Amino acid sequence: DAKTTQPPSMDCAEGRAANLPCNHSTISGNEYVYWYRQIHSQGPQYIIHGLKNNETNEMASLIITEDRKSSTLILPHATLRDTAVYYCIVRGINTGGFKTIFGAGTRLFVKA
Amino acid sequence: GAVVSQHPSRVICKSGTSVKIECRSLDFQATTMFWYRQFPKQSLMLMATSNEGSKATYEQGVEKDKFLINHASLTLSTLTVTSAHPEDSSFYICSARQKDTQYFGPGTRLTVL
Repeated sequence: DAKTTQPPSMDCAEGRAANLPCNHSTISGNEYVYWYRQIHSQGPQYIIHGLKNNETNEMASLIITEDRKSSTLILPHATLRDTAVYYCIVRGINTGGFKTIFGAGTRLFVKA
Repeated sequence: GAVVSQHPSRVICKSGTSVKIECRSLDFQATTMFWYRQFPKQSLMLMATSNEGSKATYEQGVEKDKFLINHASLTLSTLTVTSAHPEDSSFYICSARQKDTQYFGPGTRLTVL
């Protein structure tokens, strides 16, 4: 699976949009971009995933660049409860290679 | 949405005993389940992948005889930490695959005295 690069930490003001970047320059054509987050002492929570089109759900938006070498997760109105470690993961979905390998992620601090 | 549960959420045991952790997919069938462990201030580390009805595939460096995995049904996988020692104290997290997404359980905190 392709490696990803994320900033180790970011701050965001409560109520503002949080934009979390991820670089995945070695992504291959059949690999998806997934985002998870982990709040302290809990299991990871699935947020969103996409292949090449931008995606939006009730939690966040995912913007993938046209060359697919980077993406941004957007939390439109961050709250204190969004403080967590956010993991960007690139992964294929074929049976043989389906497993999620976690990097260090980005620790997002939402401040009042 | 897809829900994965784990039991127990927290366990304390004496050194040398075995501990079993259960992982269940509550509202879907999971042909593939995964087990991770996480040490304080570190990221999740994949231990093994298990497919229903077959032997688990362990990641390099993970002892299969120490961490026994049984994926007995499409909704249940168990991890048994055999002869646990203090260095096995960790946060163990299971995950289940539904279609093209993995969903994670809440984790089990194991403390070995």
